[in-house]
Amino acid sequence: AQSVTQPDIHITVSEGASLELRCNYSYGATPYLFWYVQSPGQGLQLLLKYFSGDTLVQGIKGFEAEFKRSQSSFNLRKPSVHWSDAAEYFCAVRREYGNKLVFGAGTILRVKS
Amino acid sequence: NAGVTQTPKFQVLKTGQSMTLQCAQDMNHNSMYWYRQDPGMGLRLIYYSASEGTTDKGEVPNGYNVSRLNKREFSLRLESAAPSQTSVYFCASVAGPYYNEQFFGPGTRLTVL
Repeated sequence: AQSVTQPDIHITVSEGASLELRCNYSYGATPYLFWYVQSPGQGLQLLLKYFSGDTLVQGIKGFEAEFKRSQSSFNLRKPSVHWSDAAEYFCAVRREYGNKLVFGAGTILRVKS
Repeated sequence: NAGVTQTPKFQVLKTGQSMTLQCAQDMNHNSMYWYRQDPGMGLRLIYYSASEGTTDKGEVPNGYNVSRLNKREFSLRLESAAPSQTSVYFCASVAGPYYNEQFFGPGTRLTVL
């Protein structure tokens, strides 16, 4: 069965520093992968997605993610974090059968000034 | 275009009470989903509806029922609420089986005392 692991529950970075959030997945075939962001008290917003092709995908708000099949990873990165990036981030993989997503537990990002 | 809307935003129930959470989307999407979000567990699928007239169980369906009233609306019912159902509930929709991006509502925060 598909699963998603986000090893870091909390991450704190300084404003202007670079960011990398880790995501590892378990999936037999080529996965459909997603990163969502949830600001406090809000719903989830799609940051970016990977279906096939170029392994480096660009998303909104200056985020990017790299798919590495050999490491079963889909890590999210941003070169310079802004205070408004403080939120919870979820990695998700689409289930093999049916149009359903499996989510990781989430990583809470804190940004210190 | 309101996207996915949910009502109510907040609700407090006593153990044993019943209630229905409402969800509607105006994007003409075929598939709709109900998730619950609990700290450290990400989002878990309760029920989904692949198309109008069909519903299926997700990972955590016990204690819930759903109704796909029409293409726009998908409701979640708690017949006899329990403290374990204290959670944040999200509704989502997606265009169809060949699409992947799920659009999320703002959530309903439910507390069962």
